[in-house]
Amino acid sequence: AQSVAQPEDQVNVAEGNPLTVKCTYSVSGNPYLFWYVQYPNRGLQFLLKYITGDNLVKGSYGFEAEFNKSQTSFHLKKPSALVSDSALYFCAVRSMFSGGYNKLIFGAGTRLAVHP
Amino acid sequence: EPEVTQTPSHQVTQMGQEVILRCVPISNHLYFYWYRQILGQKVEFLVSFYNNEISEKSEIFDDQFSVERPDGSNFTLKIRSTKLEDSAMYFCASSEEAGRGNQPQHFGDGTRLSIL
Repeated sequence: AQSVAQPEDQVNVAEGNPLTVKCTYSVSGNPYLFWYVQYPNRGLQFLLKYITGDNLVKGSYGFEAEFNKSQTSFHLKKPSALVSDSALYFCAVRSMFSGGYNKLIFGAGTRLAVHP
Repeated sequence: EPEVTQTPSHQVTQMGQEVILRCVPISNHLYFYWYRQILGQKVEFLVSFYNNEISEKSEIFDDQFSVERPDGSNFTLKIRSTKLEDSAMYFCASSEEAGRGNQPQHFGDGTRLSIL
């Protein structure tokens, strides 16, 4: 079965410090991986994706993510956190095998709190 | 930047009543989706739609649910006879394509459906 795990319900970090939000996945075949962010009372905003190629992908607002096939992980990172980064972050996977071409499978979400 | 728009932002309905949630996808997108998020739970895929027909649906999307693209811009989700457990945030999304899976889905801000 395809699944995504975000092991941390909440991540706390001080402004200016690096942040990491963890994600691991389980799919058949090659995964297409995505990160989305959700601010209060808003929808999911696309941050970045991994399809193929370089394992380090860069996205919006200074975020980046590292794909690690051996560890089946796709952790979201940012070198220097801002208070405005505080939000709910979702990792998602799309599998190109075993059906499910269209659907995204989401993790439970991680709440990021950046403190001044 | 083009956005997916959803109306209404909040819908309150009596149990057993029909409800229609409306979405205007991004204009040049060809693939449309509905997801839902029950309070405190994961975002779950409901259905995808392409070329005026359902391309994939989840177990949640039973006979009480239907989708339609009544004109060139709107995409609707209808629940025929609502149940208490249908209370959730419903997100519409659209993407340029789905077959190769490498284009992100763009989400609206959601409709909060409350069943009394």
